Amino acid sequence: DIQMTQSPSTLSASVGDRVTITCRASQSISNWLAWYQQQPGKAPKLLIYKASILESGVPSRFSGSGSGTEFTLTINSLQPDDSATYYCQQYNVLWTFGQGTKVEIK
Amino acid sequence: QITLKESGPTLVKPTQTLTLTCTFSGFSLSTSGVGVGWIRQPPGQALEWLALIYWNDDKRYNPSLKTRLTITRDTSKNQVVLTMANMDPVDTATYYCPHFGPAGHFDYWGQGALVTVSS
Repeated sequence: DIQMTQSPSTLSASVGDRVTITCRASQSISNWLAWYQQQPGKAPKLLIYKASILESGVPSRFSGSGSGTEFTLTINSLQPDDSATYYCQQYNVLWTFGQGTKVEIK
Repeated sequence: QITLKESGPTLVKPTQTLTLTCTFSGFSLSTSGVGVGWIRQPPGQALEWLALIYWNDDKRYNPSLKTRLTITRDTSKNQVVLTMANMDPVDTATYYCPHFGPAGHFDYWGQGALVTVSS
């Protein structure tokens, strides 16, 4: 099984800040990685796939990078609506999610 | 546009079998590369992939739950059904059925269905 580990588990930042979330895979997954945003009480929403491709309609302040075993999600100029939990997911072998990173606005 | 909706019981007793139905529109499960998955999320916890069925009726299951899960489809009704046997209180969760696109990820999600396992 491929394990996905996100860090940090929680982060608190101010509006306008740049935020980075890291996701590590237990083995190489090439670039078969997606990022999802989940706001409280809602279903997850796809943000990025294939590690760095922005899903249609997602604001350009979101970006993804990485390959192999280490990946990052960056939010440039954090907005109040970005308060949510973010999950990475590998789809190289079956599908596995990270444990999530909760982003709070100070 | 693509929409999916999960339906089923909100409460099941331990040892019972859970049957959830995903009714979708806006795509055909006969289209090459397409699939429908099931993913669950216990309250306050992370997402866990359960199963997926492809356009060609090929199926994949989470190895840790494989013996308890069955996924089927009815293309004429635009439905996918998940059964999970021998339910336990730890299976209490919101169950989602997202659309699986040819690119390999889950791009459209239903609103989810909360299932509580309790006697």
